[in-house]
Amino acid sequence: DIQMTQSPSSLSASVGDRVSITCRASQSISNYLNWYQQKPGQAPILLIYAASSLQSGVPSRFSGSGSGTNFTLTISSLQPEDFATYYCQQSYNTPSTFGRGTKLEIK
Amino acid sequence: QVQLQESGPGLVKPSETLSLTCTVSGDSINSYSWSWIRQTPGRGLEWIGYIFYSGSTDYDPSLKSRVTISVDTSKNQFSLKMTSVTDADTAVYYCAREGRNSGYDWFDPWGQGTLVTVSS
Repeated sequence: DIQMTQSPSSLSASVGDRVSITCRASQSISNYLNWYQQKPGQAPILLIYAASSLQSGVPSRFSGSGSGTNFTLTISSLQPEDFATYYCQQSYNTPSTFGRGTKLEIK
Repeated sequence: QVQLQESGPGLVKPSETLSLTCTVSGDSINSYSWSWIRQTPGRGLEWIGYIFYSGSTDYDPSLKSRVTISVDTSKNQFSLKMTSVTDADTAVYYCAREGRNSGYDWFDPWGQGTLVTVSS
């Protein structure tokens, strides 16, 4: 199975900050990488697919980049509703695997 | 707008079979693939398997011997059965649609999730 490693595991930031979360795959996955946001008690929602494509309805402050084994999710200017846990997921092959998450907290 | 809703028992005894159903509304199940995913504090998010509307399936190899996913197109539902459960199968179980475009795929949307506890 392809292992997905996210860093940091947690991050404190303030409203208006620019933050980046990284995800590393244990082997090359081209750009078969998706990002999700999950709030407590809710299901994950898709933010970014194919490493850099913004899902319809997702604010443009979210962006994704990377290919191969290294990927980044960037939030350009944090809003109060962005404090949540973020997961990466590889869809390069099955079984599809997820990172362990990055919890974004208010400083 | 497509919505997914999981249903099934919230408590299952060890060694018994876990059975869940996902009802799809706002879209026909006769397209896309449909997945089951579970989440635990210890292991995070785990993909269990998927079914294509035609009935073809794929499963996580570590669960394959215990899992069956089936589809009922007449009811716009798909289901998960997991046999011989242990407390390690205690998790929040989600159903999700697999979106696809140009060879890429992703999970969207997800159901709200249902907690299944394995306990005697």
